[in-house]
Amino acid sequence: DAKTTQPPSMDCAEGRAANLPCNHSTISGNEYVYWYRQIHSQGPQYIIHGLKNNETNEMASLIITEDRKSSTLILPHATLRDTAVYYCIVRVAREWGGTASKLTFGTGTRLQVTL
Amino acid sequence: ETGVTQSPTHLIKTRGQQVTLRCSSQSGHNTVSWYQQALGQGPQFIFQYYREEENGRGNFPPRFSGLQFPNYSSELNVNALELDDSALYLCASSLPGAEQYFGPGTRLTVT
Repeated sequence: DAKTTQPPSMDCAEGRAANLPCNHSTISGNEYVYWYRQIHSQGPQYIIHGLKNNETNEMASLIITEDRKSSTLILPHATLRDTAVYYCIVRVAREWGGTASKLTFGTGTRLQVTL
Repeated sequence: ETGVTQSPTHLIKTRGQQVTLRCSSQSGHNTVSWYQQALGQGPQFIFQYYREEENGRGNFPPRFSGLQFPNYSSELNVNALELDDSALYLCASSLPGAEQYFGPGTRLTVT
């Protein structure tokens, strides 16, 4: 799996958009970009994933650059409950079995949403 | 729809003992993955089970073993506990190759 690089921490004011960047310059053509978050002492929560097109769901939007070497997770209106560690993960698309099955977590970005 | 559940929530064991952690997968999910998360670090993949067989393993010694049952629930067993095994143990369920949904975890403390 390709390595990802994320800033260690970010701050965001409540009600503003939170834009979390991720660099994955060695991503392969068959690897998806996944985003998870982990609120203190809880299990990671799946947010969104994409291959090359921008994706949006009820939680967030995912913007992937045309060359797929970086992406941005957007929380459009951050709330205090969005304070968490956000993990960007690249993973082989729809392949399972062996080590391809795993999610490889880095250290993530600690997002602090403030009043 | 019931999410992923894990038991127990917390556990304290002594070095050298054995422990069994349990996971019930989300309804309809037939694949279960286990992760270990040490304090201040991201989760590390232990192994995955699909159709009751181990289907991928991370860099963990053989004293970490597992089972998956016909109802897709799973167990993680750790023998000869070491102090470094103290961690949050996470279970995630999914369909094969699809996004994984995590349970709340079991906090294991080894003294």
